[in-house]
Amino acid sequence: ETGVTQTPRHLVMGMTNKKSLKCEQHLGHNAMYWYKQSAKKPLELMFVYNFKEQTENNSVPSRFSPECPNSSHLFLHLHTLQPEDSALYLCASSQGPNQPQHFGDGTRLSIL
Amino acid sequence: DQQVKQNSPSLSVQEGRISILNCDYTNSMFDYFLWYKKYPAEGPTFLISISSIKDKNEDGRFTVFLNKSAKHLSLHIVPSQPGDSAVYFCAAVSGGSNYKLTFGKGTLLTVNP
Repeated sequence: ETGVTQTPRHLVMGMTNKKSLKCEQHLGHNAMYWYKQSAKKPLELMFVYNFKEQTENNSVPSRFSPECPNSSHLFLHLHTLQPEDSALYLCASSQGPNQPQHFGDGTRLSIL
Repeated sequence: DQQVKQNSPSLSVQEGRISILNCDYTNSMFDYFLWYKKYPAEGPTFLISISSIKDKNEDGRFTVFLNKSAKHLSLHIVPSQPGDSAVYFCAAVSGGSNYKLTFGKGTLLTVNP
């Protein structure tokens, strides 16, 4: 139990579908993150939220739309994805900057 | 261009011996470094970190060494146990109030009984 819960664990969707990934943290942290891990590549930061405000968007295409309604919940809304978007999507949280980030177990996304 | 490099994709060690995992970085602005461990089908788990004002940090069987002049850090695991078999990621943060972790590609450690 990491304190960061992601659902669903696996998702298969077509390119025209709309779906959402959900992340919830029970650690009382103020910052939440979305990462993408593709095969044979390092983890890539996508978005950062601090106290519900987006502080970083790492040049992510607009077909990925994050939402942070409060410090404990983070969503990633997916729309019109491409096959190259198939990857493991990881959520993380931390108390603040320059602090260890705690990760969920990820959502394995496959785009048909 | 990769700013954090783990040049060994894999490492195999005998149980009870020392495991040494290496990491090199190119960005001289990095001042906080972390090691994560990842088992299959799980997210990365934080192991140990070190600030650039130190050259060593120890936590039980895990010790991280930092050589700033060489832009190199290493993780030592002594003694290695079969349960340590996992992928190990090195990560770095640059100065200030920075949320961005830059990760290496990881090294798969296998500890043989």
